[in-house]
Amino acid sequence: DTGVSQDPRHKITKRGQNVTFRCDPISEHNRLYWYRQTLGQGPEFLTYFQNEAQLEKSRLLSDRFSAERPKGSFSTLEIQRTEQGDSAMYLCASSLENAVYNEQFFGPGTRLTVL
Amino acid sequence: AQRVTQPEKLLSVFKGAPVELKCNYSYSGSPELFWYVQYSRQRLQLLLRHISRESIKGFTADLNKGETSFHLKKPFAQEEDSAMYYCALSTVTNAGKSTFGDGTTLTVKP
Repeated sequence: DTGVSQDPRHKITKRGQNVTFRCDPISEHNRLYWYRQTLGQGPEFLTYFQNEAQLEKSRLLSDRFSAERPKGSFSTLEIQRTEQGDSAMYLCASSLENAVYNEQFFGPGTRLTVL
Repeated sequence: AQRVTQPEKLLSVFKGAPVELKCNYSYSGSPELFWYVQYSRQRLQLLLRHISRESIKGFTADLNKGETSFHLKKPFAQEEDSAMYYCALSTVTNAGKSTFGDGTTLTVKP
């Protein structure tokens, strides 16, 4: 499968615990995006990387959230001291800079449940 | 600020009937508009984009800048069209990150 992959697909944790998600983009894509989706809403932008540089962060991304993309390949999203309000689907997408169209390719998502 | 509105949460039609999923946007510059689809148990995938003016799976969408709309249409709905549809907006200046509407669940009944 050469599409975007995410791991784990599901995560259940207790409030106050830290969690980390991984995203592997399509190999030649240099842009990587993280979105969060809650029930009944569309994906909301969290942050994006161009190669290894994190170029933009949404106001939704509190200081408990951190994302990295070492070497411009896979990315991790860590949430510290999780809260029940963090329960959501976390989506990763990748795209190619300078593509004719800004098409994003999405992963299957990681569903986080905070008890 | 960018905003995408999909006024219908749910839309139900019979097989063979025309279907229109509404999308309105607000953005002062030149937007790029997309429709994404998510079938049951599948990931979000691009259906079509306004700039290419294409028809995919019988669906078309026309960007109306005067009405700031990008409605998705299909003349004859099929049962396999049942899915969640998201309208999304991107701009040249925002590196491709997209603003999504809250989606419309389309059900095509036999």
